Amino acid sequence: GENVEQHPSTLSVQEGDSAVIKCTYSDSASNYFPWYKQELGKGPQLIIDIRSNVGEKKDQRIAVTLNKTAKHFSLHITETQPEDSAVYFCAASPRADGLTFGKGTHLIIQP
Amino acid sequence: GAGVSQSPRYKVAKRGQDVALRCDPISGHVSLFWYQQALGQGPEFLTYFQNEAQLDKSGLPSDRFFAERPEGSVSTLKIQRTQQEDSAVYLCASSWQSRAVQETQYFGPGTRLLVL
Repeated sequence: GENVEQHPSTLSVQEGDSAVIKCTYSDSASNYFPWYKQELGKGPQLIIDIRSNVGEKKDQRIAVTLNKTAKHFSLHITETQPEDSAVYFCAASPRADGLTFGKGTHLIIQP
Repeated sequence: GAGVSQSPRYKVAKRGQDVALRCDPISGHVSLFWYQQALGQGPEFLTYFQNEAQLDKSGLPSDRFFAERPEGSVSTLKIQRTQQEDSAVYLCASSWQSRAVQETQYFGPGTRLLVL
């Protein structure tokens, strides 16, 4: 089955700086890669996703890049703000079925 | 409601008790998923329904776990003879998803289960 590795587990950045979270996956058949943000006591919320026919996708301060050859994808958050503090999860899926998640990155925005 | 709802939000059970967790998906969503999230970990897939059909239950950890969606809407995850290792947050998600295309999964707030 699919295996997703996520790094780093904790990331602390100064407010206004950029944050980058990286994930690798094992199943070359995976074709859908969402990123979720989870705040304490809440369920995961989708922030951006990318499909395998696209190399990059951007939505305001958030962007995701995908390298299918290397089987890795990354989340980029620019101009970080205090409300960006949360746990971020990457996920991958080779089919229309359940997602395989990484272990999460705790993003801390320092004022 | 506008989103996925789950009840109860918190459940404390004594070891050996049976529990039932409910999920109300977004109206009209075809697919429904259950995940288990241990403390400090990412969600792990348990099972998947398309309408009332349970298409994948490969993630259920044991035969003590059972899920149903009899009318293709509300779903219940039942855990029999609960054990301490069942303590986790149980997340439900729904999507418009067809069998061919992966669509966005919208998650509920989860049910936090503590087994004493």
